[in-house]
Formats: sequence, C-alpha cells, structure tokens
Amino acid sequence: SQTIHQWPATLVQPVGSPLSLECTVEGTSNPNLYWYRQAAGRGLQLLFYSVGIGQISSEVPQNLSASRPQDRQFILSSKKLLLSDSGFYLCAWNAGGPYEQYFGPGTRLTVT
Amino acid sequence: DAKTTQPPSMDCAEGRAANLPCNHSTISGNEYVYWYRQIHSQGPQYIIHGLKNNETNEMASLIITEDRKSSTLILPHATLRDTAVYYCIVRVNNQGGKLIFGQGTELSVKP
Repeated sequence: SQTIHQWPATLVQPVGSPLSLECTVEGTSNPNLYWYRQAAGRGLQLLFYSVGIGQISSEVPQNLSASRPQDRQFILSSKKLLLSDSGFYLCAWNAGGPYEQYFGPGTRLTVT
Repeated sequence: DAKTTQPPSMDCAEGRAANLPCNHSTISGNEYVYWYRQIHSQGPQYIIHGLKNNETNEMASLIITEDRKSSTLILPHATLRDTAVYYCIVRVNNQGGKLIFGQGTELSVKP
C-alpha cells in the first residue's frame, strides 16, 4: 500500500532563517506531487506541483521554492523565512488522471 | 477553473443524514466533482468523486444534478467523528490535476 511521509511534524523558526521541509511517498512510482499551505482559519492554497523529476510548477509568487530530486521525494525550501510563511504545510500525491489525492500528516510551521 | 459555492457551516444531529450542498454552475463537461474533508489539524481526507452519475462508497453518497451545476454529499448516518470541514472541489483535468480548495462547509455533528 502507498504511504506518504512528512517531516518534521512541527517547526518553530526565526524570521530570516532557512527552511527545508521534506515529503516522501512509498509504494508507488511516478506520482504527481503537491505542496499546499493552510494559514490559520483558512482554506488550502496550492503552492507547487510536480508531474515528474525536476518538473516544478509554481502557483503563487512567494519566497518559497520546491524541488523534486527523486521520483518520490518533494522538498519545500526557503532561503529566508517571513512571518507570513507561518502555517500548516501539506504534501499530497496522486497517480495522475482523475484520481484522488492523498495527503500527508502535515508540518505546522511557526515563524517567530 | 470552475468555482464552487458552499454554505460556510451546517449542523446535523448524530445518527441523522447530513446533506451538504455545493454549487458549481460553471463546471465544464470533462471536470469531475471531488469531495474531501479535513478534521482539525489533520491533512484532508478524500471522500468521493464523480463526473455525472451518482456515486456511493463506504463513506458517503454523491448526488450530481442532471445539468451538473450542483451536487450534494450525503453522509447517511452522521457520527460525532464526522465533524469536519467539507470541501467540494471541481478538478482541473490538465496541469497535473491540481485541486483548488475553497473555504468549505464546517459540519458540526451534535449529540
């Protein structure tokens, strides 16, 4: 069966510090991968998606970036965090086509 | 991308059916309707999806109107654990199949 992992579960970082969040998927190959962010009390916002290694599409301009160095690994990064980067970050995958997306447990980031 | 409109909140008595409406009047012919839910502090959970026929699985039923401009998610016997935010999403079938989440409906199941 397929599983999706995210780490860390929670993170507190000062403004201006770098960020690296990792997501890995097991039990499938060539998945579509997604990064979402959820600010407090709001809906999910799609940040990036990837349909293959090295292929990244950005949905909103921001100081975040994403990379996909391996087939089942998706990384969200920032060189300098802003207060507005605080939120709940969720990674998701699907098998392509009209199939459902499966979400990871999320990382709660607080920028202080 | 087609937009969806949902009521911001609903209440339901435990054991009764919960009927959650969604309007998607600009849906195009090849777009699917998806439903997810998010329990507090967890990642969203897939519930069901459909194109134009009604669908049923172990979690819920999805009723799509003939003109496909609206749909209803039915939880046949709501429990306290069904308290969550429910999102109705019209899926873009290109660009990697991304989901565009709205604000959803906050369903409160009460004893």
